[in-house]
Amino acid sequence: KAGVTQTPRYLIKTRGQQVTLSCSPISGHRSVSWYQQTPGQGLQFLFEYFSETQRNKGNFPGRFSGRQFSNSRSEMNVSTLELGDSALYLCASSRPQGGTDTQYFGPGTRLTVL
Amino acid sequence: AQTVTQSQPEMSVQEAETVTLSCTYDTSESDYYLFWYKQPPSRQMILVIRQEAYKQQNATENRFSVNFQKAAKSFSLKISDSQLGDAAMYFCAYSPDKLIFGTGTRLQVFP
Repeated sequence: KAGVTQTPRYLIKTRGQQVTLSCSPISGHRSVSWYQQTPGQGLQFLFEYFSETQRNKGNFPGRFSGRQFSNSRSEMNVSTLELGDSALYLCASSRPQGGTDTQYFGPGTRLTVL
Repeated sequence: AQTVTQSQPEMSVQEAETVTLSCTYDTSESDYYLFWYKQPPSRQMILVIRQEAYKQQNATENRFSVNFQKAAKSFSLKISDSQLGDAAMYFCAYSPDKLIFGTGTRLQVFP
């Protein structure tokens, strides 16, 4: 079974621009979560989507948004990029089956904001 | 607030030896899950082991096992017969719903 895929793998943007990252979950998985990883803040939860609905949200500004499509693929968008948005963005998918299920991660998208 | 603490920023072990990574967490929940993930230099986050809080039996996956002490809110990872490929960052994570990660422990394995 193919794993979680994320595109693009690397991205360079300048301040003020916007960016869209994509995540395709493992086949059959309906939940997709996004995490931001930085050296200073570590791994932080952004949001989770299940059946095209945002089910949980972390403590990030409104510039960070996401959506999920009917095939469970998810995108996250960051508008008006800031230098501090430079990070590894990880996507994880899970089935889930009642309550928490194990999350399986993609390889990440490395975003650099200049 | 729900927090996860990994007090060992770095650990090292000789090949074939055993090493234990520590993790404590703070929660008022009774039903939750705990995970150890491994992140090698490729940055791909790989699941190592999972523990359900309602299970008293410690989880085991081949050379990896945990010591889960619910009352003490402790969840340590033991790696037996360490291999060079075990070298990575190890993250402990707590999950009532979303994953809450610790700061990680960098494990070095020496031949």
